[in-house]
Amino acid sequence: DTAVSQTPKYLVTQMGNDKSIKCEQNLGHDTMYWYKQDSKKFLKIMFSYNNKELIINETVPNRFSPKSPDKAHLNLHINSLELGDSAVYFCASTGTGNYGYTFGSGTRLTVV
Amino acid sequence: QQQVKQSPQSLIVQKGGISIINCAYENTAFDYFPWYQQFPGKGPALLIAIRPDVSEKKEGRFTISFNKSAKQFSLHIMDSQPGDSATYFCAALQVLGDYKLSFGAGTTVTVRA
Repeated sequence: DTAVSQTPKYLVTQMGNDKSIKCEQNLGHDTMYWYKQDSKKFLKIMFSYNNKELIINETVPNRFSPKSPDKAHLNLHINSLELGDSAVYFCASTGTGNYGYTFGSGTRLTVV
Repeated sequence: QQQVKQSPQSLIVQKGGISIINCAYENTAFDYFPWYQQFPGKGPALLIAIRPDVSEKKEGRFTISFNKSAKQFSLHIMDSQPGDSATYFCAALQVLGDYKLSFGAGTTVTVRA
């Protein structure tokens, strides 16, 4: 049973399109995150939600909008995709008293 | 602005050798320092972590050394094996703060058989 699952695993799309990535965790964690890993493998936080409430919103273009329908799900919608959005996007979660983050296996987004 | 600096960018070690990765931080409010291991096509996975009240933590072949006064910590991989070939990230966060995990830039370790 996958703890943090993301769909799709691969996403190839044209510039200007709108796309969504979905994330679900079955660990009972309260906090979920989106991280972006660039071509140099650097990992940078984008957003964090705690029990459906946005708590971290880093300097990310407004074209990126997270949505958390419940504490087990965190989706990422991206409008008007640009070439520079090409990266691997990771979802992660943590629980109370559990300092370690559990990451999903990533969604590789390629914008052409 | 990168809050955790990691070196080297890559290293090659022979099977059975020792791999050493170093990290430094500036924010003294950080109080949890994990290391993550990432294989190609996978997400980062927690390997080992340390709190600043201890100077060393060992789990199997992996050891974290922590120097609070120097604001540095390192990962030692003893008896390196080909299966250890991966990218390793150091990280830091404030447990009682924003709980935001800040990563180092990563070190790609290649273990030659």
